[in-house]
Amino acid sequence: AQTVTQSQPEMSVQEAETVTLSCTYDTSENNYYLFWYKQPPSRQMILVIRQEAYKQQNATENRFSVNFQKAAKSFSLKISDSQLGDTAMYFCAGYNAGNMLTFGGGTRLMVKP
Amino acid sequence: EAEVAQSPRYKITEKSQAVAFWCDPISGHATLYWYRQILGQGPELLVQFQDESVVDDSQLPKDRFSAERLKGVDSTLKIQPAELGDSAMYLCASSPLSGIYNEQFFGPGTRLTVL
Repeated sequence: AQTVTQSQPEMSVQEAETVTLSCTYDTSENNYYLFWYKQPPSRQMILVIRQEAYKQQNATENRFSVNFQKAAKSFSLKISDSQLGDTAMYFCAGYNAGNMLTFGGGTRLMVKP
Repeated sequence: EAEVAQSPRYKITEKSQAVAFWCDPISGHATLYWYRQILGQGPELLVQFQDESVVDDSQLPKDRFSAERLKGVDSTLKIQPAELGDSAMYLCASSPLSGIYNEQFFGPGTRLTVL
């Protein structure tokens, strides 16, 4: 993705509730992958979920799922049954034509007990 | 579980001084990346290595930054001289291969403060 935009700088959710983080992107590629990475406070960034553009089925990893709308260039992350350990910065990302991973500005998610 | 190692974790320096950061990727990972992450923003790629060769350093400020991966394993990122605007988190990541599908594995980062 040449550009990745996350429009929600901060969000909060009550423990056990569901939250959706938004991401839009722009790309001229026909095939591409999109990613959500999680960066917990003072810990390393880890991959949450990955979606291939050619796959119509939305990716799911346990409590994490995506809503991939290719025509709208939208790639949102849904976290179900939120847990305190989900508190983190979440980054949407995609590779550009030069194989560089481009990140959005991030969404800070706070899960409240 | 194998992890990317970085040192130091924190570095405080005065402007015009030289600083160096070290990264040891996951064993067997051919591709290594250095990112700069300004507080509250997403990481931005500085340089990408494939084995010991630089694949992309278009975003590296080459007048003051240098990076090397001499034996295709660990890597060093240097800043000389450091400027106030260099204060940021410097992240190292690695992946088995390069490509648009690849997951990158990140280290804990080095937080640099330039006074």
